[in-house]
Amino acid sequence: GEDVEQSLFLSVREGDSSVINCTYTDSSSTYLYWYKQEPGAGLQLLTYIFSNMDMKQDQRLTVLLNKKDKHLSLRIADTQTGDSAIYFCAESPPGANNLFFGTGTRLTVIP
Amino acid sequence: GAGVSQSPSNKVTEKGKDVELRCDPISGHTALYWYRQSLGQGLEFLIYFQGNSAPDKSGLPSDRFSAERTGGSVSTLTIQRTQQEDSAVYLCASSLAGGPNTDTQYFGPGTRLTVL
Repeated sequence: GEDVEQSLFLSVREGDSSVINCTYTDSSSTYLYWYKQEPGAGLQLLTYIFSNMDMKQDQRLTVLLNKKDKHLSLRIADTQTGDSAIYFCAESPPGANNLFFGTGTRLTVIP
Repeated sequence: GAGVSQSPSNKVTEKGKDVELRCDPISGHTALYWYRQSLGQGLEFLIYFQGNSAPDKSGLPSDRFSAERTGGSVSTLTIQRTQQEDSAVYLCASSLAGGPNTDTQYFGPGTRLTVL
C-alpha cells in the first residue's frame, strides 16, 4: 500500500506563517490534495494540485510540489486561531479508486 | 441538507455486538466511499461504490465488515461481532462521478464508534 508521511504536530503563533509538510510514495499520482479536519467535523477539501504544477496559490494558501523528492507542502500565511485543525495530505495513484491519506498534522495556533 | 450526512454521530457498543452505520450521500453523487480513522492514524480506505458496478471491497479489514448501497443512494456499513480494535471514526464520502483523479470527495462528519 501507499505510505504518506506527515509530522504529527505543529505549533505557530497567530499571524506567523505555517508550513505543513508531506512526503508521498507514488510518483505517478496525478493529483495531490490537502484536507482540513476541524474538531468533531468531517474532512473539508482545502486545495489540490495537479502533478504537472510546481505551485498553486489560493488566497492565504500556497501549495508547493517537488515531484523529484515526492514532497508536498502547504503554507498558510497570516495563520489565525481558526486555522487550528488537523491537516491531511492525500495522493491518488493511477488505478486506485480511493485516496491514500497521511496521518494528519495537528496545527495549533497560539494567540 | 446539501452535504453528506451520517448517523449515528456516536455509537457505543459492547464487544461482540453487531452495529450498523448509515451514510446519506449528496443527492446525485454516484460514487460513495467509506474510510476509517483510528486514533493517531490516517484515514484507511474500506470500500468504494460506483453506480451499479460491483463495489471495490479491497480495504475491508476482515469478513466481519460488510457494506451495501441501496438504490444507488444510502449506504450502510455493518460490523459484526465488534472487537475493541474496531473503535474508530468511520467516515463516508461521496463524489459526483467517482475516481479521485477527476472528482472531489465530500466527507460527512463521521460516526465515532466505541467498543467496550
